[in-house]
Amino acid sequence: KNQVEQSPQSLIILEGKNCTLQCNYTVSPFSNLRWYKQDTGRGPVSLTIMTFSENTKSNGRYTATLDADTKQSSLHITASQLSDSASYICVVSVSNRDDKIIFGKGTRLHILP
Amino acid sequence: NAGVTQTPKFRVLKTGQSMTLLCAQDMNHEYMYWYRQDPGMGLRLIHYSVGEGTTAKGEVPDGYNVSRLKKQNFLLGLESAAPSQTSVYFCASSLRYGTQYFGPGTRLLVL
Repeated sequence: KNQVEQSPQSLIILEGKNCTLQCNYTVSPFSNLRWYKQDTGRGPVSLTIMTFSENTKSNGRYTATLDADTKQSSLHITASQLSDSASYICVVSVSNRDDKIIFGKGTRLHILP
Repeated sequence: NAGVTQTPKFRVLKTGQSMTLLCAQDMNHEYMYWYRQDPGMGLRLIHYSVGEGTTAKGEVPDGYNVSRLKKQNFLLGLESAAPSQTSVYFCASSLRYGTQYFGPGTRLLVL
């Protein structure tokens, strides 16, 4: 069964600290993996996208990694800011005629001043 | 470009009433989607469309209907609203295998 599992469910860190969010998936055949940021009351916004051949992608203070062999991805946030408080959603696309997109339930990140 | 827009932003319905949510995109995307998001559940796909005039069922299609008469618009209808349909509804659009662009959401409360 195609699934995307994220951990932790929620995370609280102090402003300025780094953190890493995890995503494990059992999706086949794999097309790509995206990380989205969803601010409270808003729609998700794409942060990064990685295909099978890519193992790291950066977007400012956000760095995503992908290990296609172990089917794991991580999102590392450096020098966190209050504006990083949001939900982070891992999304994996299936590469077949159905073009399915599997969403994780997200990690809720709280940055404290 | 406005991106993806949704109307209305918020609506209260009584059980049994009907309504239509409108999604519009100006990016010439082929694919459009309707999701609902409930606390602790993540985004769940209701219906989607891979092109004008086509629609398909997603993960939770019961109680909803959709239409894609124009490429830029994707309508989500509730024929007889139920309290279980209280949720936040998000529309998204994309190219095939491309990044999904989401609208701001519609908050629906069914009493």
